[in-house]
Amino acid sequence: RKEVEQDPGPFNVPEGATVAFNCTYSNSASQSFFWYRQDCRKEPKLLMSVYSSGNEDGRFTAQLNRASQYISLLIRDSKLSDSATYLCVVNELDTGRRALTFGSGTRLQVQP
Amino acid sequence: NAGVMQNPRHLVRRRGQEARLRCSPMKGHSHVYWYRQLPEEGLKFMVYLQKENIIDESGMPKERFSAEFPKEGPSILRIQQVVRGDSAAYFCASSPTQAISRVDGYTFGSGTRLTVV
Repeated sequence: RKEVEQDPGPFNVPEGATVAFNCTYSNSASQSFFWYRQDCRKEPKLLMSVYSSGNEDGRFTAQLNRASQYISLLIRDSKLSDSATYLCVVNELDTGRRALTFGSGTRLQVQP
Repeated sequence: NAGVMQNPRHLVRRRGQEARLRCSPMKGHSHVYWYRQLPEEGLKFMVYLQKENIIDESGMPKERFSAEFPKEGPSILRIQQVVRGDSAAYFCASSPTQAISRVDGYTFGSGTRLTVV
């Protein structure tokens, strides 16, 4: 079983749509959670951190459910520029590793 | 304040040659992480280094791959006798301390795309 699992997509949505991505992680001791965005052939860039209380940044809302080991990202009013691959990322502190574990990503294509 | 700098951006090597990838961390950062992204896959952790020390190399292939982060100069990821399967994007990230910020994660360089022909 993968440590971080995501639906690879692609999700094809029209401009203005609301789209949600989900992610599950296997290590219950994971401490920190992030969503990164990766554009084609470029480096991943931090989109937002994810907290149990949920957090919102403009059109983006992230949620963490520790009991279900589940992370979500909601994008409202999709823009063409939102087209990218969205990476779910966790930090597993209990393994002693000072590293992040990445999901394989969910590809979003916003269409005009 | 320049970000994480990686060079070269693109590297082409013939099978059997050596590849050297360089990473200069952000100013004031003494911790470096290397990741590899194979085509159509997610990023996989390779190695974590502090100045002059390898802290965690659990993601490094057992043979042909090595990494260093000397007291002076950039971190180097070295791949000896490259094979076609080494073709990938190699990303480096840095942080000021060993703790990964819960707010910021860490910042990646633009990567080196290695193509083995």
